[in-house]
Amino acid sequence: EDKVVQSPLSLVVHEGDTVTLNCSYEVTNFRSLLWYKQEKKAPTFLFMLTSSGIEKKSGRLSSILDKKELFSILNITATQTGDSAVYLCALGTGTASKLTFGTGTRLQVTL
Amino acid sequence: ETGVTQSPTHLIKTRGQQVTLRCSSQSGHNTVSWYQQALGQGPQFIFQYYREEENGRGNFPPRFSGLQFPNYSSELNVNALELDDSALYLCASSLDRRGETQYFGPGTRLLVL
Repeated sequence: EDKVVQSPLSLVVHEGDTVTLNCSYEVTNFRSLLWYKQEKKAPTFLFMLTSSGIEKKSGRLSSILDKKELFSILNITATQTGDSAVYLCALGTGTASKLTFGTGTRLQVTL
Repeated sequence: ETGVTQSPTHLIKTRGQQVTLRCSSQSGHNTVSWYQQALGQGPQFIFQYYREEENGRGNFPPRFSGLQFPNYSSELNVNALELDDSALYLCASSLDRRGETQYFGPGTRLLVL
């Protein structure tokens, strides 16, 4: 069965800090790995990764995938209070675009 | 905003009742997936509809059923509600059934008493 494990479960940092969120996985038919940010209800799409070693970047956020070691990281530099959210990692697998999610990392950024 | 809408936003039901949740997909998207998110957990895949046909199902009992209409909007029906069905129900649309980038709606929060 496909599995996604995220760590840490929760994290409190001060504004301006850099954070690294981890996602490890087990999968039988890998298609992609996705990161989402969930603040209140709707998860909002951040990145989709399909190839190892290629960093995807959007502003202060970046992510990279290692398909050999079966993990991905999400980095956030110069954190702001608006970054406070649950960050979800998900696997796209099989022929249908089913997503298998981890439980998420709850990030709180304090002043 | 993704353009995916869901209704209602909140709902309270009692055990044994039936509920219908609705979702309108983003313009141009023909695939809709439904997820259940319990408190403190990640979303869990219920099923996916592609061009009005079910295209994959997760580990949910048959009392969870769905429909997709010709305009690609979708319904999730849950019969014989149980207390454990209390959750946030998320709908996501994608460009087609192989489109992994799924765009989520705001969800319907269901409370079963």
